[in-house]
Amino acid sequence: DTAVSQTPKYLVTQMGNDKSIKCEQNLGHDTMYWYKQDSKKFLKIMFSYNNKELIINETVPNRFSPKSPDKAHLNLHINSLELGDSAVYFCASSQVATETQYFGPGTRLLVL
Amino acid sequence: QKEVEQNSGPLSVPEGAIASLNCTYSDRGSQSFFWYRQYSGKSPELIMFIYSNGDKEDGRFTAQLNKASQYVSLLIRDSQPSDSATYLCAVGSGGGADGLTFGKGTHLIIQP
Repeated sequence: DTAVSQTPKYLVTQMGNDKSIKCEQNLGHDTMYWYKQDSKKFLKIMFSYNNKELIINETVPNRFSPKSPDKAHLNLHINSLELGDSAVYFCASSQVATETQYFGPGTRLLVL
Repeated sequence: QKEVEQNSGPLSVPEGAIASLNCTYSDRGSQSFFWYRQYSGKSPELIMFIYSNGDKEDGRFTAQLNKASQYVSLLIRDSQPSDSATYLCAVGSGGGADGLTFGKGTHLIIQP
């Protein structure tokens, strides 16, 4: 059973388009995250949600809008995609008490 | 701004030897410390976490923490070619939904 899953795995799109990435976890965790890993492999937190409530919103352009319909799901919608948005986006989950995070397989986004 | 520093490498170690990976962090309030392994094109995979000063062993892996020096290390004994990967050090606040602060990773190569 996949613990943290993401769809799609690959996303190739044109500048200016809008796209969404979905994440689901079946670990029973109460906290979910979005991370961005750039071309230099630097992994950086974007957002975190605890029990569907937004906790962390790092300095991310407001073209990025996360949504958590329930504790097991966290989606990321990106408007007006730019070349610089090309990266790998990882979803992760944890129990808020432990912080031990488990990552999904990643979504490789390429903006042309 | 929390920072986690790692030597990017590559660190080359002969098979069967001990690989030593190091990490320093800037935030003295950090309480939780993690090592993740990331193979090329894959997601970060949790290897170990440590919360208290001293050593923590799990199989061939030993994590070491020195909060006074703000230093974390990972030792890999009897290194195998399959250990070749990028190792990410991550630091957290010890609970909560703040997300982890990652270093840029050390690229480890185990030479057969």
